[in-house]
Amino acid sequence: GAVVSQHPSRVICKSGTSVKIECRSLDFQATTMFWYRQFPKQSLMLMATSNEGSKATYEQGVEKDKFLINHASLTLSTLTVTSAHPEDSSFYICSALYTSGNTIYFGEGSWLTVV
Amino acid sequence: LAKTTQPISMDSYEGQEVNITCSHNNIATNDYITWYQQFPSQGPRFIIQGYKTKVTNEVASLFIPADRKSSTLSLPRVSLSDTAVYYCLVGDGGAGGFKTIFGAGTRLFVKA
Repeated sequence: GAVVSQHPSRVICKSGTSVKIECRSLDFQATTMFWYRQFPKQSLMLMATSNEGSKATYEQGVEKDKFLINHASLTLSTLTVTSAHPEDSSFYICSALYTSGNTIYFGEGSWLTVV
Repeated sequence: LAKTTQPISMDSYEGQEVNITCSHNNIATNDYITWYQQFPSQGPRFIIQGYKTKVTNEVASLFIPADRKSSTLSLPRVSLSDTAVYYCLVGDGGAGGFKTIFGAGTRLFVKA
């Protein structure tokens, strides 16, 4: 299957700082990528849809100025959590739409802890 | 957007066949049905995908009835390592865009 990689897998940052999470499609080009947030024992919650070369589309209730998404190339999308606070601590997952257009593949996920 | 409904949890024993059904009553013509497995602190892993009838791969089978309003993931001879959350996802990558909305998933617990 197609491979999607996230980095870092775990990050701890201080409150008020910003942190960037990268999502890469390693063996295919992805014009569309997705970012999710997942709380313990809950399902994935879609945060935004990232399209290469254009602005991301955010889901209702997601602050676009806080969660900056950039999709500058066909293999890389980044999520930057700006001015992070402890309530932003969560498991963040990305996925990429495979070339065929019908399947999405997920990254390994990134744990963010804000202290 | 096709909403999916699955049982919240299921229990099974090692060596048994497990069938998990997902309801998606408002599935669109172009939508595919995809199943994923998720372990704690990991991203979902692709299991199988289908459009209609039956699909089989090395780890699972997917049964889709003619009306496509539901689908059943079949896991043959489960083992303890199959304990995980299973999600069905319905969508397409057509001109309307692919929107991925996850349901609650099914927590499968395999006992020895």
